[in-house]
Amino acid sequence: AQSVAQPEDQVNVAEGNPLTVKCTYSVSGNPYLFWYVQYPNRGLQFLLKYITGDNLVKGSYGFEAEFNKSQTSFHLKKPSALVSDSALYFCAVRDRRTGGGNKLTFGTGTQLKVEL
Amino acid sequence: ETGVTQSPTHLIKTRGQQVTLRCSSQSGHNTVSWYQQALGQGPQFIFQYYREEENGRGNFPPRFSGLQFPNYSSELNVNALELDDSALYLCASSLRIQTGSTEAFFGQGTRLTVV
Repeated sequence: AQSVAQPEDQVNVAEGNPLTVKCTYSVSGNPYLFWYVQYPNRGLQFLLKYITGDNLVKGSYGFEAEFNKSQTSFHLKKPSALVSDSALYFCAVRDRRTGGGNKLTFGTGTQLKVEL
Repeated sequence: ETGVTQSPTHLIKTRGQQVTLRCSSQSGHNTVSWYQQALGQGPQFIFQYYREEENGRGNFPPRFSGLQFPNYSSELNVNALELDDSALYLCASSLRIQTGSTEAFFGQGTRLTVV
């Protein structure tokens, strides 16, 4: 079975400061890892993914994430937060062994609040 | 915005009724998945369809069923609605490839309220 943990329900950061949203995962095989963002009353918007290769993945809107296999983590980061980044962020994992399947296992989400 | 569209956006049903939710995939995508997102929770995988057949299912009872059509659009049907079925239902489309490395694109969701 695969699982995702997002240990922080909410992260508060001042605009212009760096932000980190934490994610750890558990999967039997090697993972595909994803970050999505959700704005109020909206669906999920894809930010970035880790498939293979470089452990630092760059995505949309200046976000990046670092894959750490030994710590089974995939933390989302941004060097300088904006008020418009305030939203609900979800980390998700897919087991590579599922082949072309599309089953994602999501964490419970972290509410990011960026204040002036 | 993704090219995935869902209808309706909101729906209110009475316990015991049946409901059908619809999803149009992004152009070129051949796989559709459905997720249930209860309030304050992450999305939970219901099932996925590929080539008009169910191709993976989560821990949901048989009263949750679906269809995929030749144009890759999809329906989610829920029978005998229960109060706990109240949630945001998300459809996601993707292009199925052997490595499974493609991302899924989500629609805006259908908010179902069961009273």
